[in-house]
Amino acid sequence: EDQVTQSPEALRLQEGESSSLNCSYTVSGLRGLFWYRQDPGKGPEFLFTLYSAGEEKEKERLKATLTKKESFLHITAPKPEDSATYLCAVRGVMNRDDKIIFGKGTRLHILP
Amino acid sequence: DTEVTQTPKHLVMGMTNKKSLKCEQHMGHRAMYWYKQKAKKPPELMFVYSYEKLSINESVPSRFSPECPNSSLLNLHLHALQPEDSALYLCASSQRDRDYNEQFFGPGTRLTVL
Repeated sequence: EDQVTQSPEALRLQEGESSSLNCSYTVSGLRGLFWYRQDPGKGPEFLFTLYSAGEEKEKERLKATLTKKESFLHITAPKPEDSATYLCAVRGVMNRDDKIIFGKGTRLHILP
Repeated sequence: DTEVTQTPKHLVMGMTNKKSLKCEQHMGHRAMYWYKQKAKKPPELMFVYSYEKLSINESVPSRFSPECPNSSLLNLHLHALQPEDSALYLCASSQRDRDYNEQFFGPGTRLTVL
């Protein structure tokens, strides 16, 4: 059964303090790993798709990387506006109709 | 147009009411989804429509009734809901016929059942 585990569950950082969020996955043939950002009471905002091990993508202060077992979301010199829940999701070859499996998310809080 | 819209933003209803949630996208996506999300939990898949046909129903109670009138619209009809159905209801869409399809989410409808 496909599984996604995110850690830590919550993270508090000082503004400017870089860190990484982890997404470990077990899937029968990866067909995409997705990162989303979600603000309270709003829909998830798409950030990145990673397709294969070794791939990296960047957007502003965020950089996502992928290995065969996990993905990291690196946050460089974060600002208070980066505070949000970050969700990781995967799609495997056995998932019908683009169904994706979400992790429970990491709640990130950046202190000014 | 690269967004998914949802109406209403907020909905309060009694257990005997009938109401509907609406979702619209104009990105040419051929898969559309309904999710339910409780506080501090990830989105939970309810239904998937693929090419306007219901392809996945995740054992959702019959008091939730989805409808896909055309490739741009998705409705969720609500009837005789329970207080535990109060949640954020999210709509999403994605392309089909591609290997790696990102889902794009709408802002959600905050539903409160009294």
